[in-house]
Amino acid sequence: NAGVTQTPKFRILKIGQSMTLQCAQDMNHNYMYWYRQDPGMGLKLIYYSVGAGITDKGEVPNGYNVSRSTTEDFPLRLELAAPSQTSVYFCASRQSNQPQHFGDGTRLSIL
Amino acid sequence: GDSVTQMEGPVTLSEEAFLTINCTYTATGYPSLFWYVQYPGEGLQLLLKATKADDKGSNKGFEATYRKETTSFHLEKGSVQVSDSAVYFCAWETSGSRLTFGEGTQLTVNP
Repeated sequence: NAGVTQTPKFRILKIGQSMTLQCAQDMNHNYMYWYRQDPGMGLKLIYYSVGAGITDKGEVPNGYNVSRSTTEDFPLRLELAAPSQTSVYFCASRQSNQPQHFGDGTRLSIL
Repeated sequence: GDSVTQMEGPVTLSEEAFLTINCTYTATGYPSLFWYVQYPGEGLQLLLKATKADDKGSNKGFEATYRKETTSFHLEKGSVQVSDSAVYFCAWETSGSRLTFGEGTQLTVNP
């Protein structure tokens, strides 16, 4: 039972490059979330989705995009990487009235 | 606005010491409350939760009671172990199944 799988685990980007962080869950959860965690800080919500085809902005959506074409996958897209986006990114999923399950994170550095 | 205020860290204790990590929230209504734990290099794991006033969540020797009158959800453990060293996050659930996190408290337990 894989749970929430994030790829890659680590990545270094140059300023202005683009990339997609992948997130997949095999628990048939409707809700999925993307957070960023900056050093010494709690998690900030970037985007979330309550089901396939539906996405909404969280607290810090600027510079990111998401899509939810299937229940299983919720990729996060950075179009023009900036140093301020250096962070650890966590994906999570949940079913109604159940706690969120988190992936192991993607550590992203932008130089 | 809605928020979670968590005891600042880091906290360093000796093995078998008593642990308290304070958490208070500001929210409308009566949100569900959570404690998550993050071990080094890993994602967040649910430690315990409480969904209504006076509920006590417990797991692995940790406890927290939902105090509506003081809007608090303090985490306690009677005797910590080295293996409890981690970052602990308090969180509460907003409408739309979104979590608001505190900034985290780093706990180090020395033998």
